[in-house]
Amino acid sequence: GDSVTQMEGPVTLSEEAFLTINCTYTATGYPSLFWYVQYPGEGLQLLLKATKADDKGSNKGFEATYRKETTSFHLEKGSVQVSDSAVYFCALSAIDGGATNKLIFGTGTLLAVQP
Amino acid sequence: DSGVTQTPKHLITATGQRVTLRCSPRSGDLSVYWYQQSLDQGLQFLIQYYNGEERAKGNILERFSAQQFPDLHSELNLSSLELGDSALYFCASSVVGGPKNIQYFGAGTRLSVL
Repeated sequence: GDSVTQMEGPVTLSEEAFLTINCTYTATGYPSLFWYVQYPGEGLQLLLKATKADDKGSNKGFEATYRKETTSFHLEKGSVQVSDSAVYFCALSAIDGGATNKLIFGTGTLLAVQP
Repeated sequence: DSGVTQTPKHLITATGQRVTLRCSPRSGDLSVYWYQQSLDQGLQFLIQYYNGEERAKGNILERFSAQQFPDLHSELNLSSLELGDSALYFCASSVVGGPKNIQYFGAGTRLSVL
């Protein structure tokens, strides 16, 4: 079945460091791909998305490119801030005959940014 | 604020009991999803409703059931609760059910079964 694999955390970085969180997926068809972020004590917020191959999603300095050839959707940010500390989830939208878009999530990666 | 409202925020109950979690979707959204977030299983899709009808089922236990009402709010009923049901339960909504549609999540209901 469809699945998402993302790098284990925690990832600890100093402020202004470069961030990469790896995400690869297995899916039939052409799913949409998402990054969601969960700040402490809060729900999930959509960070960015891409709906087809070679699409680049971007938001708040974060970027991810839908790479069909490597089945990847790695999250990057050039300069992280303390306020970026959160858990990041990679997800795909399963096609399932087109009737649903249930999300399949990776295990989440905790990012801790130190001043 | 996503516009998705979940109540209550916290629930503490005992094994064997039954609870109801409530979700109000964003205005205009027809599709509601329920997810469970636990330490051992991660974030898992439970069930989806679209305009009052069940659309898809995931890893939802038989002790759990859900429904979506004519005003589009949804309820997740959990019965014969076990310790392992302790988790964060999220509701999400989207305009329709297609794969390109963004799901907006509520803040969740934290269930503690003692």
